[in-house]
Amino acid sequence: AQSVTQPDIHITVSEGASLELRCNYSYGATPYLFWYVQSPGQGLQLLLKYFSGDTLVQGIKGFEAEFKRSQSSFNLRKPSVHWSDAAEYFCAVGIMNYGGSQGNLIFGKGTKLSVKP
Amino acid sequence: EPEVTQTPSHQVTQMGQEVILRCVPISNHLYFYWYRQILGQKVEFLVSFYNNEISEKSEIFDDQFSVERPDGSNFTLKIRSTKLEDSAMYFCASSGSGTGPYEQYFGPGTRLTVT
Repeated sequence: AQSVTQPDIHITVSEGASLELRCNYSYGATPYLFWYVQSPGQGLQLLLKYFSGDTLVQGIKGFEAEFKRSQSSFNLRKPSVHWSDAAEYFCAVGIMNYGGSQGNLIFGKGTKLSVKP
Repeated sequence: EPEVTQTPSHQVTQMGQEVILRCVPISNHLYFYWYRQILGQKVEFLVSFYNNEISEKSEIFDDQFSVERPDGSNFTLKIRSTKLEDSAMYFCASSGSGTGPYEQYFGPGTRLTVT
C-alpha cells in the first residue's frame, strides 16, 4: 500500500543553522512528491513539488528537496533557517486514480520544526 | 494571489446534528477535494470531485458524507449525522488542469468540534 513516512516528529534547530527534514515513501509507480508547510492556524501551503526531470527541486522560501529513487526518499533542506520557518512540515505523494486523470494526496504525519534564537 | 477560502473557521455541533462545511475553490480550478486531520494525526483524503461528480473517495467517506457544488463557486461537504469521531480539521483543496491535477491548493480549514 502507498504510504509516506516522516521519521522525525519534532526537530529543533538554531536560527541560521541548516535543516534537513526526512521523508520516505512507498509507491509502486513513479511518484509525484510534495512538501507542504502549515503554520499555526493556517492551511497547508505548497513549498515545492517533484513530478519528473531534475531530481533537485527548488521551492519557495529558500527550500529545496532532492528525490532519490534508490532510497525512496524526498528530503527537504534549507541552508539557513529563519525564525519564521517554525511550522509543521508535511511530505505527500500524489496517487493517480484509475484512468490517470486525477489524484489524491497521501500525507506523512508531519514534522514540527522549532527554531531557537 | 488567488486562494481557497473556507467557512466557518470553527464549528461546534452536537452529536447527531447535520453540518455543512463550505469552501470556495480557486476560480479557474476544475478539481476539488476534501481532507481531514484529526488532532495529532495525519491529513487524510476524503473525496475528490470533478465535472460535477465524485471521482474518488476513501473508506472514511461513508454514507454520512456528501459533497456538492451548488453553484459555480461553492463546494460543500455535508455530514448528515455527526459523531464524536468526526471532530477534526477539515481542509478543502482545489487544483487546475493547467498546473497538473496533483498540485493542490489548500484552504485554511474548518475546525469541527462534535460534543
